[in-house]
Amino acid sequence: AQSVAQPEDQVNVAEGNPLTVKCTYSVSGNPYLFWYVQYPNRGLQFLLKYITGDNLVKGSYGFEAEFNKSQTSFHLKKPSALVSDSALYFCAVRDENYGQNFVFGPGTRLSVLP
Amino acid sequence: KAGVTQTPRYLIKTRGQQVTLSCSPISGHRSVSWYQQTPGQGLQFLFEYFSETQRNKGNFPGRFSGRQFSNSRSEMNVSTLELGDSALYLCASSSTSGEGADTQYFGPGTRLTVL
Repeated sequence: AQSVAQPEDQVNVAEGNPLTVKCTYSVSGNPYLFWYVQYPNRGLQFLLKYITGDNLVKGSYGFEAEFNKSQTSFHLKKPSALVSDSALYFCAVRDENYGQNFVFGPGTRLSVLP
Repeated sequence: KAGVTQTPRYLIKTRGQQVTLSCSPISGHRSVSWYQQTPGQGLQFLFEYFSETQRNKGNFPGRFSGRQFSNSRSEMNVSTLELGDSALYLCASSSTSGEGADTQYFGPGTRLTVL
């Protein structure tokens, strides 16, 4: 069975500082990994994905994520946080053998303080 | 390209009623998935349709059903509504080819409130 863990409910960071939002996963086959962001009363916006290739993936709005197979992690990072990055972030995994059935983590609320 | 659209955006129903939500995918996308989002349970997968066929189903009771039309538009229906069905229902579409393949793109959601 697929599963995703986001160990932190809340992450607080000062504007201009680097941010990290953590994600670990479990799948039986090769993982397809995704990060999404959700603003209040909105749907999920796609940030980036890892399917294959380079372990460091660059996405929208200056975000990047590093795939670590040995640690089964896919942490989201940004070198310099903006107040506008404050939102709810979801990590998701899809097992290549299970169609479009995405499993989402519980979400991490990021607060960037001015 | 226009994004995923969902109608209506807000719905208020009473227990026992039924409701139908609609989703129009991104043009060219043939896969449509539905999710339920609640504060307690997070995002939970309901089902996925591809070429008018249900391809995957989550762990929800039979009161939750869906269908997909030949133009890839999808509807989901919830019958005999319960208070616990109050949630944000999200639709996502994806393509099987091209740069965006395997990525789900979400609509704004339908906020359902059951009284």
